[in-house]
Amino acid sequence: QKEVEQDPGPLSVPEGAIVSLNCTYSNSAFQYFMWYRQYSRKGPELLMYTYSSGNKEDGRFTAQVDKSSKYISLFIRDSQPSDSATYLCAMRTNAGNNRKLIWGLGTSLGVNP
Amino acid sequence: DTEVTQTPKHLVMGMTNKKSLKCEQHMGHRAMYWYKQKAKKPPELMFVYSYEKLSINESVPSRFSPECPNSSLLNLHLHALQPEDSALYLCASSQGRQGARGNQPQHFGDGTRLSIL
Repeated sequence: QKEVEQDPGPLSVPEGAIVSLNCTYSNSAFQYFMWYRQYSRKGPELLMYTYSSGNKEDGRFTAQVDKSSKYISLFIRDSQPSDSATYLCAMRTNAGNNRKLIWGLGTSLGVNP
Repeated sequence: DTEVTQTPKHLVMGMTNKKSLKCEQHMGHRAMYWYKQKAKKPPELMFVYSYEKLSINESVPSRFSPECPNSSLLNLHLHALQPEDSALYLCASSQGRQGARGNQPQHFGDGTRLSIL
């Protein structure tokens, strides 16, 4: 079993839809959770960064962390064609000098006009 | 545009060539990273520099040689690469201090797309 599981999709939705992207994980020591967006031929761009459990909202994006279920989500409201990209979840423990991120495979999202 | 700048954007080299990839950031970050990314895969960590000292080497072959000349610059020297080394090479940076108050996310450049002939 991988430490982080993420459905690679592809996921295709119409413009204006609410998109839900998810990752599950097995290591209960993970404390920091990130969502990155990666366009074709570009580097990953940080979208959301959360510590421990709870919700965080930034514009059309909401990140949720449920540590009891070991489950994180990214919601995109009013999706736009410009949201078409690969979305990667990443997480890390708080141990010592740990800087290593554990990544999901990424979900490919297409938003159709 | 990202705040982490990588050059060149594209590089084609033969297996006997020597070349270098460069990365620069001016965010005052004291941790810098090299990643390798293959198509449809997540980034794979290669090296981490913390306060200009190499702190993590993920068992990377010696044909890849990192260098951190100062807190803003990170180089990756390449020599005698193999065709399987063709990939997108990403640089990232983050604030230096770890711990509950200091854990900050990594910010990535747009990478160098490397092709080995």
